[in-house]
Amino acid sequence: EAGVTQSPTHLIKTRGQQATLRCSPISGHTSVYWYQQALGLGLQFLLWYDEGEERNRGNFPPRFSGRQFPNYSSELNVNALELEDSALYLCASSFSFAGGTESNQPQHFGDGTRLSIL
Amino acid sequence: KQEVTQIPAALSVPEGENLVLNCSFTDSAIYNLQWFRQDPGKGLTSLLLIQSSQREQTSGRLNASLDKSSGRSTLYIAASQPGDSATYLCAVFNDYKLSFGAGTTVTVRA
Repeated sequence: EAGVTQSPTHLIKTRGQQATLRCSPISGHTSVYWYQQALGLGLQFLLWYDEGEERNRGNFPPRFSGRQFPNYSSELNVNALELEDSALYLCASSFSFAGGTESNQPQHFGDGTRLSIL
Repeated sequence: KQEVTQIPAALSVPEGENLVLNCSFTDSAIYNLQWFRQDPGKGLTSLLLIQSSQREQTSGRLNASLDKSSGRSTLYIAASQPGDSATYLCAVFNDYKLSFGAGTTVTVRA
């Protein structure tokens, strides 16, 4: 079974540019989560998509946005890049949260996209 | 706001010794707690998930306990091996998201 796949592996941008990161969940998973792992800040929750809808958002500015496609893959877009956006961006997937018992489904992570801002 | 703390931040042990990693959280209204392993420059590998109604979960040499009322979890790794060297993260799921600790970096010396 293929795991969560993310692309690209590395992305180099300059300040003010826009970045698009992509994630394909495990087959059968409909929930996709995005996290940022910046040096010294630990893993921070960014966004959660389920069944094509944004369900929850972390404490990040609106220039961080995304979407989920009908095949449940997802994109994370970061506009007006700043130096502090340099980080490892991790995507995770799980079965849908909706329904109660699904809250105990583990999240499975990809290897991430390393975004470097010059 | 959920705060997750992991102690110690780093641990170095000789091969064969048992590992004990601690995790504490401030809000006990959690759905579950997950332990992950992260190798340098890589993503997270899920090790164990403990539901809020469970006290412990086991997988091979790994055993994790959960005391929700006191906001604590412990990960035990028996008979450590050099391949166990990695950063171990605990995360709690509530408010529709995972909140992570900063991790414990483990080095197992051959």
